[in-house]
Amino acid sequence: QKEVEQNSGPLSVPEGAIASLNCTYSDRGSQSFFWYRQYSGKSPELIMSIYSNGDKEDGRFTAQLNKASQYVSLLIRDSQPSDSATYLCAVIKGPGGSYIPTFGRGTSLIVHP
Amino acid sequence: ETGVTQSPTHLIKTRGQQVTLRCSSQSGHNTVSWYQQALGQGPQFIFQYYREEENGRGNFPPRFSGLQFPNYSSELNVNALELDDSALYLCASSLESGTELFFGSGTQLSVL
Repeated sequence: QKEVEQNSGPLSVPEGAIASLNCTYSDRGSQSFFWYRQYSGKSPELIMSIYSNGDKEDGRFTAQLNKASQYVSLLIRDSQPSDSATYLCAVIKGPGGSYIPTFGRGTSLIVHP
Repeated sequence: ETGVTQSPTHLIKTRGQQVTLRCSSQSGHNTVSWYQQALGQGPQFIFQYYREEENGRGNFPPRFSGLQFPNYSSELNVNALELDDSALYLCASSLESGTELFFGSGTQLSVL
């Protein structure tokens, strides 16, 4: 089992729809969770971080964390073609493990007009 | 505030050669991490430096080495290049180990 798993996609949604991106992780003790956006040929860009169970909203983005289910998701409301990119989930185990962020392989999102 | 900068942006080498990639961390950040990203894959952790000391290492052979300088800039050295070393090499700095990573623009390495 990989430490951080994401469906590679592509996930295709129409403009204006909600895009839902999912990530599962294997280490129950993980404490810090991050979503990065990576445009083709570019480097990852931090979108959001989340540390406690529940939802965290920032503009059109909402991160959701469920530590009991070892699941973190990213919702993008009112999706725009400019949101088309690969979305990377990263997890840090924290105390008792490692402070090194481990990345999933990313989910490709396509928002079509 | 200056962001993370990497040089060079692109590099072409032949098998067996050696390469040095450079990274300047964001102002105020004392931790630098290096990742390798192959096409279609997520970034794979190579190693991390915290205040000039190696703070963790991923599953990469010893021919991948690095160091961090007193100003927290960093180098990644790869010896005896192999074709499979062709990838995007990403440097990221963070305020402290275990906090958010901020990436540079990367170095695209091609090994022929």
